Amino acid sequence: NAGVMQNPRHLVRRRGQEARLRCSPMKGHSHVYWYRQLPEEGLKFMVYLQKENIIDESGMPKERFSAEFPKEGPSILRIQQVVRGDSAAYFCASSPLGNYNEQFFGPGTRLTVL
Amino acid sequence: TQLLEQSPQFLSIQEGENLTVYCNSSSVFSSLQWYRQEPGEGPVLLVTVVTGGEVKKLKRLTFQFGDARKDSSLHITAAQPGDTGLYLCAGRVDTGRRALTFGSGTRLQVQP
Repeated sequence: NAGVMQNPRHLVRRRGQEARLRCSPMKGHSHVYWYRQLPEEGLKFMVYLQKENIIDESGMPKERFSAEFPKEGPSILRIQQVVRGDSAAYFCASSPLGNYNEQFFGPGTRLTVL
Repeated sequence: TQLLEQSPQFLSIQEGENLTVYCNSSSVFSSLQWYRQEPGEGPVLLVTVVTGGEVKKLKRLTFQFGDARKDSSLHITAAQPGDTGLYLCAGRVDTGRRALTFGSGTRLQVQP
């Protein structure tokens, strides 16, 4: 049973470019969460999605960041016009329907903005 | 202000020693999780506790949830070098939101 998959594992972008991070939840899981871990800081919640719906985006920066979880395919976290401060590890987690207490994390995407 | 405070932040011990890591908050949590994270990897779920006073054991690891559901502890007996890593507590504040709030972590190093 494959775990949460994220790609790419490492992403390098220059300032002003776009970053697209992908997350495939565990088989049977219908809830996806995105978290960000800045250097030397803890994980911070960004957004929670179900298929085709954003449920809670209270942790998302107001500008340049967006997320989607289409009916088919992986969840995408999109960062437009990246800045150096966006450099961080971005983690996706998933949970099964009805059990929100247990979130299983992927290996993360490490974004470096030059 | 950190909603979940973990202590200590760093811990370096010898193989075979016992240790306890604490996770404290002024807020009530509907559930609390402990994760372990290794460099370059995502957090791995160790345990979930949901009932005040609950104690769970996982081999040499003992997890306790406070009676008031505001704090938790992780006790490791006879630590081994393989226990080295970053231990994170996380919880859902009792508001019905699904987001996890994470502590800043305890970095444990077990010397052989």
